[in-house]
Amino acid sequence: QITLKESGPTLVKPTQTLTVTCTFSGFSLRTSGVGVGWIRQPPGKALEWLAVIYWNDDKRYSPSLKSRLTITKDTSKNQVVLSMTNLDPVDTATYYCVHRRSGNYFDPWGQGTLVTVSS
Amino acid sequence: QSVLTQPPSVSGAPGQRVTISCTGSSSSIGAGYAVHWYQQLPGTAPKLLIYGNNNRPSGVPDRFSGSKSGTSASLAITGLQAEDEADYYCQSYDNSLSGSWVFGGGTKLTVL
Repeated sequence: QITLKESGPTLVKPTQTLTVTCTFSGFSLRTSGVGVGWIRQPPGKALEWLAVIYWNDDKRYSPSLKSRLTITKDTSKNQVVLSMTNLDPVDTATYYCVHRRSGNYFDPWGQGTLVTVSS
Repeated sequence: QSVLTQPPSVSGAPGQRVTISCTGSSSSIGAGYAVHWYQQLPGTAPKLLIYGNNNRPSGVPDRFSGSKSGTSASLAITGLQAEDEADYYCQSYDNSLSGSWVFGGGTKLTVL
């Protein structure tokens, strides 16, 4: 059974850097084809894909946010970390960690972590 | 503004059939990329509902079905039940701008 869980700060100040961690179980990021991603959802709004990292350390970023995002993995800890710089109140959202399937869809999802950007 | 276009809301009475459309472009759905659907119940994380255009994961009732044609896709729900009231999102891949996963804006299904 695959599970993912997000952790990180609930409140971040504008201009600061957000770091959220995904801790997963039930699969390994050493396995060929495996990917883990991040998706966010502002309150009351739609889903937005942010980034994906693959077993071979290949990384993909949302074109609109690429300059602000960094995704890394620690295979020994079964963790994936997403960093986002220069936060703004519009970045307030629930951040979801997801397991990417080979058909280019996401399943399952973590429970999400709500991050509020406010001074 | 989302890359894939969905109606903001649909509604239907219990037992009825409803459909939710998802319109993309020649660089997403029209390029042959599969469409996937997620159900988000209030206050919960999205859950995979349909993958690969028309495949149901284990545990998803056969009341839910998907289809794709050209640059669009649809989710159909038959025999509407109160528990189907949720937000529904379509998702695909877009090969423009270095490639990215894209979502629809979501559709709120209300069971009357």
